Amino acid sequence: RKEVEQDPGPFNVPEGATVAFNCTYSNSASQSFFWYRQDCRKEPKLLMSVYSSGNEDGRFTAQLNRASQYISLLIRDSKLSDSATYLCVVIRSSGSARQLTFGSGTQLTVLP
Amino acid sequence: DAGVTQSPTHLIKTRGQQVTLRCSPKSGHDTVSWYQQALGQGPQFIFQYYEEEERQRGNFPDRFSGHQFPNYSSELNVNALLLGDSALYLCASSLVGDSSPLHFGNGTRLTVT
Repeated sequence: RKEVEQDPGPFNVPEGATVAFNCTYSNSASQSFFWYRQDCRKEPKLLMSVYSSGNEDGRFTAQLNRASQYISLLIRDSKLSDSATYLCVVIRSSGSARQLTFGSGTQLTVLP
Repeated sequence: DAGVTQSPTHLIKTRGQQVTLRCSPKSGHDTVSWYQQALGQGPQFIFQYYEEEERQRGNFPDRFSGHQFPNYSSELNVNALLLGDSALYLCASSLVGDSSPLHFGNGTRLTVT
């Protein structure tokens, strides 16, 4: 089983739709969680952090459920510019060592 | 304040050759991590360097090696290249003990023919 698993996608949604992605992680020692966005042939860029209390940034809402070991990303009122691959990231730290584990990514295409 | 910079941007090599990729961390950062991203996959952790030592390593063979210099910059070396090594190689820097997320360089796209 992969340490981080994501909805495989792809998701093709019309403009204005609401879309949700889920990601599960297997290591309960995981400490930090993030969503990254990656445009085609570009590097991943931080979208937002994920907390148990929920985190909202405009049209984007991220949530962490530690008991069930999953994180989610909700995008409301989708825009064409939201088309990208969304990667969930789980971080474990120990002393000076910090390891990020990425999900395989979920591809989103917002259609006009 | 320059962010993470990587060179070269693109590289084409043939099977069996060796390649060196370079990364300069963001100003103030002392830790460098390397990732390999194959087409259609998420980035896979290769290794992390701090204080010129490899601190953690992912599931990659010994053909993948690295180095960190006193100025915190880093190199990734891959020996005996295979076709399957074709990927985007990403470098990310951070400050040790900092829980903030990593920021990535633009990556080096390696094609092995």
